[in-house]
Amino acid sequence: GEDVEQSLFLSVREGDSSVINCTYTDSSSTYLYWYKQEPGAGLQLLTYIFSNMDMKQDQRLTVLLNKKDKHLSLRIADTQTGDSAIYFCAESFDSNYQLIWGAGTKLIIKP
Amino acid sequence: DTEVTQTPKHLVMGMTNKKSLKCEQHMGHRAMYWYKQKAKKPPELMFVYSYEKLSINESVPSRFSPECPNSSLLNLHLHALQPEDSALYLCASSQDEGGNEQFFGPGTRLTVL
Repeated sequence: GEDVEQSLFLSVREGDSSVINCTYTDSSSTYLYWYKQEPGAGLQLLTYIFSNMDMKQDQRLTVLLNKKDKHLSLRIADTQTGDSAIYFCAESFDSNYQLIWGAGTKLIIKP
Repeated sequence: DTEVTQTPKHLVMGMTNKKSLKCEQHMGHRAMYWYKQKAKKPPELMFVYSYEKLSINESVPSRFSPECPNSSLLNLHLHALQPEDSALYLCASSQDEGGNEQFFGPGTRLTVL
């Protein structure tokens, strides 16, 4: 079945780059997503990548997709205190509403 | 307008109460979703409405009753809940049921006493 895995915590210094990783098992996914959830808030769609792409950049965010290794990463350049949140990766499949979620990575920013 | 709104923000209810959660979007999306999220966990899908018809019920107990009065509104009626139903309830919408972007509301934090 489908499975999406993430490490639970990542700690980085303010100003450094953060790289949050995600692995998945089902290579037939159509889209892969990164959502951000700040404490007490809903989920914010940060970015997504179509499965036939290998990179997408949007300002401080860079998504890398390695289909061969079934590995997705989110790089946040110049990490700021406002980036503190839980980051969920998720995948979806063609013509299917359902998102398969990772457990979420809590990003901790050290001053 | 690219926002999904939810009311109330917080709700405390007893096990014998009846209450409703509301969700609204004006993006013209035709699919709407209810999720339940426990602390530090990913969201769990409860219901999907597609073109105002219930498309998916993920084996949710009948004490949760969804309703889609029109294409912009989604309600979740609550009755005889249990303390373990306390969670963040999130509404989301997408262009259609196969839509690749689900936009989430801020959620309703529900506490059942």
